[in-house]
Formats: sequence, structure tokens, C-alpha cells
Amino acid sequence: DAGITQSPRHKVTETGTPVTLRCHQTENHRYMYWYRQDPGHGLRLIHYSYGVKDTDKGEVSDGYSVSRSKTEDFLLTLESATSSQTSVYFCAISEDRDTEAFFGQGTRLTVV
Amino acid sequence: EDQVTQSPEALRLQEGESSSLNCSYTVSGLRGLFWYRQDPGKGPEFLFTLYSAGEEKEKERLKATLTKKESFLHITAPKPEDSATYLCAVQTGANNLFFGTGTRLTVIP
Repeated sequence: DAGITQSPRHKVTETGTPVTLRCHQTENHRYMYWYRQDPGHGLRLIHYSYGVKDTDKGEVSDGYSVSRSKTEDFLLTLESATSSQTSVYFCAISEDRDTEAFFGQGTRLTVV
Repeated sequence: EDQVTQSPEALRLQEGESSSLNCSYTVSGLRGLFWYRQDPGKGPEFLFTLYSAGEEKEKERLKATLTKKESFLHITAPKPEDSATYLCAVQTGANNLFFGTGTRLTVIP
């Protein structure tokens, strides 16, 4: 397995609270991604990073922010969680933008 | 509009009964097509990358093929451990990656 660790693996939070999910890699890959996966939808890109402090928006970025202060860590923050952000979140890494991505085990987030 | 469609949504096979999964796409400039396997409660696991029409890749009982409009994942003599959801993803000319919703495969002993 690619060295990707997501934490926490499960979280229940209340509407309006901030939440931060962490992704840690040991592969030294340049690109890191945050996706969400919901029933009836394919994996959808939230944000991605192409280097330390270099990030860009994905398809469903509203309500989310990211930070990458070190090559190995990519944080996803929900500033004020809403019920529509209940989902399974996956971190992924790749060597380059158009090479295969390797995924973490996911974080199941429930906003009540 | 870029779109990826997988069919069927679900497929039940007897052990040893070969079949194919379909991924059709309409995107502006294909840079690559990826197949993943996802087990319940886990992240997608990379299987294949295809870059150009006519290309084929094989791994054990799986074979992926690519045309200008679609890709097939052929499963030969499947076993129960092949049961999973298979995801297709397309990398567009604008370097965006779009995933299909997957085919849930169940192989019955």
C-alpha cells in the first residue's frame, strides 16, 4: 500500500463547528488531493496541491479550505460544518498531475 | 460537458462466468483513463492506466481495453474475491479527473 495515512478515520461533529482532516504521506509525491465520495456521485475533487503552499480548487470547493505547509501533510478544513458535508473523504497522492493516484483509507465524517 | 458513465450499475456473476464492465466517456481531450477497484470501507486501489485508443493492459483475471469513446474491463473466470466496486476515471485535456459512479460486482461461489 502507498504510504498514506488519514486521520481521523471517523468523526461526528455538530453543525457550525470547524473540522480539520489530515492526510500524511511517506512517498514524497508532489501532488496531493482531497476528494469526497457520496452515493450516486463519483468521487469529486475538492482541492488539490502541487507543492508546499501551492493549492488550487477542484469541482466542489465551496465551504472547504486546505493547507500544505510540508510536502508530507495536506490538511482539509471545513470552516463551519453543514449537514451537506456529511460524506466520506479521501486523500490521494500522485507523482504528477496525469499519473495514477493512490488513495488513503478514507475518513467518514458525519455532521449532525 | 465532460462526462463519464459506467454500466451496469451492478452485476452478479457465478464464479467462472466471464463478463465485461463498460466505461463510456465524452471529454475534451483524453489524457488518460484509469481503472480502480474499491472494497467496502476502503479507498480505491489502482488497477490500470490507458492512454490511447487500442491500448490494452492485463493483470491476473482482468483486462482493460480502450477505444475513442469507451473502455472495457473484462473479467475472465472471476472468483468471489473479485467482488468489489470497479471505478473508472478519465483525465481530460484540462487536466481534470472525472470519476464514474462505479459498477458493483458480486461473484457468487
